Amino acid sequence: EAQVTQNPRYLITVTGKKLTVTCSQNMNHEYMSWYRQDPGLGLRQIYYSMNVEVTDKGDVPEGYKVSRKEKRNFPLILESPSPNQTSLYFCASSSGSYYNPYNEQFFGPGTRLTVL
Amino acid sequence: KNEVEQSPQNLTAQEGEFITINCSYSVGISALHWLQQHPGGGIVSLFMLSSGKKKHGRLIATINIQEKHSSLHITASHPRDSAVYICAVGRDSNYQLIWGAGTKLIIKP
Repeated sequence: EAQVTQNPRYLITVTGKKLTVTCSQNMNHEYMSWYRQDPGLGLRQIYYSMNVEVTDKGDVPEGYKVSRKEKRNFPLILESPSPNQTSLYFCASSSGSYYNPYNEQFFGPGTRLTVL
Repeated sequence: KNEVEQSPQNLTAQEGEFITINCSYSVGISALHWLQQHPGGGIVSLFMLSSGKKKHGRLIATINIQEKHSSLHITASHPRDSAVYICAVGRDSNYQLIWGAGTKLIIKP
């Protein structure tokens, strides 16, 4: 089954404790991205990746890191989480290429993160 | 002013009604997406279009590039259509998607 998986689905942590949210897709997609969703603000892009070893900042990259060492995986890293990073996080992928990234977007189920 | 504006923000209708959700944008785009977010949080892509009209079941999406406007229509609405509908545009100058704030639709039986 074609899918985007994220882990964990729920996470409660404390300020400053490094964490990683994993994202994996089995569709051989080149384009992957991370979003956060907050009430009243809609989806905001954190980082995106056009292909392996190619990543770029989205609208709200501060406090986050990503890496794209393999095509299928795109982990989101919070080196020192803070309470303002409490949010619902989505990973997405699409079959778009560098010149046309806007094919159908496939979303993971979301990770609800609470930072105390 | 947001680059992507959706209207209305909230919409409540009776089962069977014809539903229209609007999306206006102010940037040059290469494609526009309509997505559905279920009450449980999952997001599903409904349409991607760059011109004209697309239909899938009871859902119809149209786009007018000159007017920078798109509409999502639902015919014979049903309570299971209750969800947040999100419009997103692919900016033609870089590789980011710009997201609307969403329209929360409630269909009452």
